[in-house]
Amino acid sequence: EAEVAQSPRYKITEKSQAVAFWCDPISGHATLYWYRQILGQGPELLVQFQDESVVDDSQLPKDRFSAERLKGVDSTLKIQPAELGDSAMYLCASRRQGWTGELFFGEGSRLTVL
Amino acid sequence: GIQVEQSPPDLILQEGANSTLRCNFSDSVNNLQWFHQNPWGQLINLFYIPSGTKQNGRLSATTVATERYSLLYISSSQTTDSGVYFCAVESQAGTALIFGKGTTLSVSS
Repeated sequence: EAEVAQSPRYKITEKSQAVAFWCDPISGHATLYWYRQILGQGPELLVQFQDESVVDDSQLPKDRFSAERLKGVDSTLKIQPAELGDSAMYLCASRRQGWTGELFFGEGSRLTVL
Repeated sequence: GIQVEQSPPDLILQEGANSTLRCNFSDSVNNLQWFHQNPWGQLINLFYIPSGTKQNGRLSATTVATERYSLLYISSSQTTDSGVYFCAVESQAGTALIFGKGTTLSVSS
């Protein structure tokens, strides 16, 4: 069964360092999402792509976060510089097309900033 | 934006008991999904259910879209059912899932 792939699963970094997360959606899925989940809370949307275009990045802290999906397939989320408050689970999700249909999530990347 | 409220926030059960989790939402939706977050943090899809009723083994779900709520039923609970259950909705004007705060279920043997 096709899955959303994410790496790394775990990342420990020091404050002010750069960190990057990678996501490969299910093949054929045009819509890709990055969510952030702080411990004890529900996931919150950071950015949404349709193919290679950003649809919504209104909740992305653009002073330190960036996201790209250059060829409309896999995607990278970067944080530079990392801050203590960025410690969280970063979840990638995808769905086939458009605004309806089921979303599928990857296993997530857990970030700890020291 | 659309609001999602889940209840109860915490639920403690003995193995074999039944439970009902509720999700209320504040606007019409195109999409409603129930997830189980496992101890490693992965969100496991349980149901895609913007309306109607579905069943999968010991789990079933019902969404009454006109009254803006959804229910997740767990029967004969097992210790492996423990974890956090999330309801997430997508409004008719939206393009992404908005999550509730979750219900934490603890099942003891």
